[in-house]
Amino acid sequence: AQSVTQLDSQVPVFEEAPVELRCNYSSSVSVYLFWYVQYPNQGLQLLLKYLSGSTLVKSINGFEAEFNKSQTSFHLRKPSVHISDTAEYFCAVIRTMDTGRRALTFGSGTRLQVQP
Amino acid sequence: DARVTQTPRHKVTEMGQEVTMRCQPILGHNTVFWYRQTMMQGLELLAYFRNRAPLDDSGMPKDRFSAEMPDATLATLKIQPSEPRDSAVYFCASGQEGVTEAFFGQGTRLTVV
Repeated sequence: AQSVTQLDSQVPVFEEAPVELRCNYSSSVSVYLFWYVQYPNQGLQLLLKYLSGSTLVKSINGFEAEFNKSQTSFHLRKPSVHISDTAEYFCAVIRTMDTGRRALTFGSGTRLQVQP
Repeated sequence: DARVTQTPRHKVTEMGQEVTMRCQPILGHNTVFWYRQTMMQGLELLAYFRNRAPLDDSGMPKDRFSAEMPDATLATLKIQPSEPRDSAVYFCASGQEGVTEAFFGQGTRLTVV
C-alpha cells in the first residue's frame, strides 16, 4: 500500500502568488512527516518536519505545513513564492518495511515551477 | 562543513561492466541509506545500514546489486553486471540513530549504454 501520495506531479505558479503542494499519507504509517526539497542536479534537503507537538511547522524560508490527522494530510504552503523556489518537493514518512525495520519513504514528488 | 560525499558524480558505462559507487557519510553518523531515483519509479530505498551492519536490503535486486560498509567512513554500492535499466541517479544519505533527519549526498548519475 502506498504510504504517501502526492497527487500533483507539477504545479506552475506565478511569482509572488501563493502555492499549496498536497500530500496525503496512509493512516497505517507512524506519524513522522517530512518535506524535502531537491534543486536541479542536487541531493535532497530537509525543508521541515512534524514529529509531535504543534501541528503547524515552519521552515526558515517561508514554507509551512500543517499536520491534519482527520484528513491524513500534510500539505505544504507558501503565501508568496519566489523564482528561487523552483524545485522538486518530496513528502516523506517513516514507514515500517516488510522486514520490520523502519525507513524514510518518499512520495513521487511535485515539481514547483515559478514563472515571472 | 559536514556533508555526505558521493563519487563519482557521473558514470557512463557499457552494459555488462561492473560499476562501483562510493559514499562517505557525515562523521559521527551511524546510519547510511542508498536510494535510487528514476523518472518512472521516483525515489526507491535500496538498502540501509546501521553501525555498518545491513538492516534492510529488500529493495535491492539481489542478483546483481551488492552494498557494503568496509568501515565507518565508506559505503559502497556495486552493480555487476550492469544493465541499461540500471540507469538512474543513486543517492546516499546518512543520519544518526534516533534522529529522524537524513542528509543526502549530491548523487551519482549512472548511465548504462
